[in-house]
Formats: sequence, C-alpha cells, structure tokens
Amino acid sequence: GEDVEQSLFLSVREGDSSVINCTYTDSSSTYLYWYKQEPGAGLQLLTYIFSNMDMKQDQRLTVLLNKKDKHLSLRIADTQTGDSAIYFCAWGYGGATNKLIFGTGTLLAVQP
Amino acid sequence: GAVVSQHPSWVICKSGTSVKIECRSLDFQATTMFWYRQFPKQSLMLMATSNEGSKATYEQGVEKDKFLINHASLTLSTLTVTSAHPEDSSFYICSAREAGSILWLTDTQYFGPGTRLTVL
Repeated sequence: GEDVEQSLFLSVREGDSSVINCTYTDSSSTYLYWYKQEPGAGLQLLTYIFSNMDMKQDQRLTVLLNKKDKHLSLRIADTQTGDSAIYFCAWGYGGATNKLIFGTGTLLAVQP
Repeated sequence: GAVVSQHPSWVICKSGTSVKIECRSLDFQATTMFWYRQFPKQSLMLMATSNEGSKATYEQGVEKDKFLINHASLTLSTLTVTSAHPEDSSFYICSAREAGSILWLTDTQYFGPGTRLTVL
C-alpha cells in the first residue's frame, strides 16, 4: 500500500521545540520530504532526506529517519508563531517516476 | 526561487459548465507538471501527471474525459473540469518540476497556490 500517516494536530508554545511525526508503509521510497502549507500559499518544500540517511539538519529543522520502523520526523527548534501551518510529509522514488505520496498533514499551532 | 502560479485563485460556476484552470511556471521551464486535488482537512491526492508535448498520465480512478489536461508549452499546463458537478468542488493544486535541474533527480516539485472550485 501507499499509506502515509500523520497526527492531525500539534500545539506548542513559542520558543519550544516541535516534533511532527510521519509513518509510511512503502519501504522502496528513495526520497522523503517535508512540505509546509500556509493559507493562500502553495506548498513550500522545507527539506528532504535520502532514504539512505538517518538524519539531516538544516538550520532550525532536523529530520530523523528510522527505516526499520518506517518513521520520519521533523523537529523545529525554537518554534515561532510564523511556523504555524500544516506540515505534510511525502515520499517518492525520484527520477523519472515522479510520483509523490503525501501524508495526511499535521496542523501546527504555535501559542505566543 | 522557482515560482508557480495558478489562475484563477477561486471560481464559482453552475453545475454542467466547464472550468479551465491554468498552471504556469514563471521563472523556469517545466517538462513535467502535476495536478492534485485536496479536500478539506485532507491530504493532496495526485490526479494526473502532465508531460509537455504528450498525453497526461492519470491516476487510477480519475476520469480523463472529465478532467482534461493540456501541457502545450514548457511553462503552461491547463486542467479543464468538464460538465462540473457539486462533487467536483475542491481545491486544485498544481506543481512543476524544473527541467534540467539537479533537483529533478530528487523529484523536487514547486507548488502553485491552488484554485478553489465551487460548483453550485
């Protein structure tokens, strides 16, 4: 199957760390992505990780990949109110195959 | 960064009419564009893959005669919802992959802001 599941909602206080989780079923994926969707705007690619990596850090963002458990997480350090949005994980095969499978999305609400 | 626009941003139409949605890559060439549909509080569902100069590839369960896709140039793809009905009301999102980019290998897609379609 091609299921990708996320928790629906996460609420954190400004300045705290946020951790958004994602589980997937297809272990043949090559790339895994995190996208951010704000109202009225297109999905913004935040970061991606190759399936042969365990961790990737990009400024305030840390992506952890546990291939054994098929679990992907996104940690946002020092969460700001501007981080409030819906976050989608997605995976794909890369190259000519093109197809991206999206998770169900997690609404992150940052309380001031 | 790469920008993808969609037009219109929202449209309301009567049942039975056809609606055309445009997707443009503004500062890059896109050999491949994608059309997604997003229902409220749900994820994006891929409808079809549009390749410049060839027929679109539709996902299982998506009616190709209902959702006509044309990718006539490297910067423009259109989705036409024919004989729209209330159940076609949704948020339609397009994305594009940059031709010749190293990011093509990583399947990086740039997304448009979406078009809200409401069929009365």
